[in-house]
Amino acid sequence: GENVEQHPSTLSVQEGDSAVIKCTYSDSASNYFPWYKQELGKRPQLIIDIRSNVGEKKDQRIAVTLNKTAKHFSLHITETQPEDSAVYFCAALPNSGYSTLTFGKGTMLLVSP
Amino acid sequence: SQTIHQWPATLVQPVGSPLSLECTVEGTSNPNLYWYRQAAGRGLQLLFYSVGIGQISSEVPQNLSASRPQDRQFILSSKKLLLSDSGFYLCAWSVNRDYGYTFGSGTRLTVV
Repeated sequence: GENVEQHPSTLSVQEGDSAVIKCTYSDSASNYFPWYKQELGKRPQLIIDIRSNVGEKKDQRIAVTLNKTAKHFSLHITETQPEDSAVYFCAALPNSGYSTLTFGKGTMLLVSP
Repeated sequence: SQTIHQWPATLVQPVGSPLSLECTVEGTSNPNLYWYRQAAGRGLQLLFYSVGIGQISSEVPQNLSASRPQDRQFILSSKKLLLSDSGFYLCAWSVNRDYGYTFGSGTRLTVV
């Protein structure tokens, strides 16, 4: 089955800096890669996603890049703000049968004012 | 628009007691439904998923079970809770397998 590795597990930045979270996946058939943000005590919420036919997608201060050859994808947050502090999860969805999203173990992002 | 409801928000149950958590989705039909558990400070563990009424797939063998008695209703149950069942339980839905999941607000279960 699919295996998703996520790094780093914790990331501390100063307000205004950029933050990058990286994930690798094992199943070359995976074709959908969402990112979720989970604030403390809240539900995970989808913030951006990318499909395998696209190399990069941007939404205001956040962007996701995908390298299918290397089987890795990354989340980029620019001009970080304290409200960006949360746990971020990447996920991958294999294109086969009744497969489900496989999540990474999460990255705790701390943005200091 | 579609909405997902999950209740209760918090629950404190003694060891050995039964459990029933309910999740319903509105505004769509034949959604894919999922139950996840999240231990404190940990990742998301898929427990069960369903692609249709009466169809349940189990990802982790344990003392929990799931049922889908109606198209947009997903229930998580246990006959006898263990201390290790404590955690944050999240229901989620998706249009089909090719789209991201929308999570419910979760139930924080503490087994004492």
